[in-house]
Amino acid sequence: TQLLEQSPQFLSIQEGENLTVYCNSSSVFSSLQWYRQEPGEGPVLLVTVVTGGEVKKLKRLTFQFGDARKDSSLHITAAQPGDTGLYLCAGVSTSYDKVIFGPGTSLSVIP
Amino acid sequence: KAGVTQTPRYLIKTRGQQVTLSCSPISGHRSVSWYQQTPGQGLQFLFEYFSETQRNKGNFPGRFSGRQFSNSRSEMNVSTLELGDSALYLCASSLSKAVYEQYFGPGTRLTVT
Repeated sequence: TQLLEQSPQFLSIQEGENLTVYCNSSSVFSSLQWYRQEPGEGPVLLVTVVTGGEVKKLKRLTFQFGDARKDSSLHITAAQPGDTGLYLCAGVSTSYDKVIFGPGTSLSVIP
Repeated sequence: KAGVTQTPRYLIKTRGQQVTLSCSPISGHRSVSWYQQTPGQGLQFLFEYFSETQRNKGNFPGRFSGRQFSNSRSEMNVSTLELGDSALYLCASSLSKAVYEQYFGPGTRLTVT
């Protein structure tokens, strides 16, 4: 059974601080996705990383896929209150028929 | 292009009743997946449909079922509702048969009393 773990589970920081969220598994994935979900809404896809070692940047967000394609990280620089939400990582199975979601990291950025 | 829509947004049912939720995917998307989200269990995969065929199923009891129509719209049904079925039910559509990048609807908040 493929499982994804995320850490930390909860994070509360001041506006302007930097943070990193981790997503780990013992399984290999064909790609890994990051989503952000706000209360009462569905998750919104932020990025997909496909190649081991790949780094993608989305404004102040930097996403990295591990060399072995088993883990990923999300780094936010100078966090803003608008970054508040639940960050979910999701691994696409190597057979491309299943998406496994991590439990999420709940981020609160305090003004 | 319109996003994924789900109806209804909120629903209150009593134990033992059944419920049907509806999902309209993004135009052109043929794959529809359903998820249950609860604070304790997170996002749990229910099933995925592609071209009216169930391609994958998660570990949920047979009370949970779904179908997809020729226009790619999908419904899921839960029979004999239990208190533990209270959750946010999310539908996601994707363009290709390879479940790759999913676009989620706002969800249906089901409360079972």
